[in-house]
Amino acid sequence: GNSVTQMEGPVTLSEEAFLTINCTYTATGYPSLFWYVQYPGEGLQLLLKATKADDKGSNKGFEATYRKETTSFHLEKGSVQVSDSAVYFCALRPFGYSSASKIIFGSGTRLSIRP
Amino acid sequence: NAGVTQTPKFQVLKTGQSMTLQCAQDMNHNSMYWYRQDPGMGLRLIYYSASEGTTDKGEVPNGYNVSRLNKREFSLRLESAAPSQTSVYFCASSEPGEPQHFGDGTRLSIL
Repeated sequence: GNSVTQMEGPVTLSEEAFLTINCTYTATGYPSLFWYVQYPGEGLQLLLKATKADDKGSNKGFEATYRKETTSFHLEKGSVQVSDSAVYFCALRPFGYSSASKIIFGSGTRLSIRP
Repeated sequence: NAGVTQTPKFQVLKTGQSMTLQCAQDMNHNSMYWYRQDPGMGLRLIYYSASEGTTDKGEVPNGYNVSRLNKREFSLRLESAAPSQTSVYFCASSEPGEPQHFGDGTRLSIL
């Protein structure tokens, strides 16, 4: 079946540090891949997405590259800020589906940035 | 720019009580969803409504019912609350293939 595995948190970094949050997936074909962010007290927001192999999604300084060969979609940012403190969710939507009812979410990684 | 509005934001219930969580969206989306979020488990889909007049079960529907009242509103009902239903509940809406828009959540505690 389809599944998403992401690194457990919490992840604590100092401001301006380099960030990597690992995400690997299991799925047939070419799923669409997403990163969502949840700020304290809020719902999830789409951060970036990629729909085919070798695509790079990017937004707000964050990047993730769709790696079919390693079934991964790791989230990276070169220099984190305190305002990046949030919970990050990796997710996939199986190939051939457009409905969000098919989206599978990872368990989330809490990121805390120290000033 | 209200987006997706959930009420209430917080609620405490006793075991066996009933409650309806309300959700409304102003983006004219056809599809709406109810999720629960539990520590270490990400989001799990409870029910969804692909379009007005239809509802379908998600991954964890037991103990819940839903009503798609009209295109804007999608409510979630707990008929007899249980401690296992203590969670944060999120409503979302979207069009097919487009990103979901989430509400800010309802934090529900069942004692």
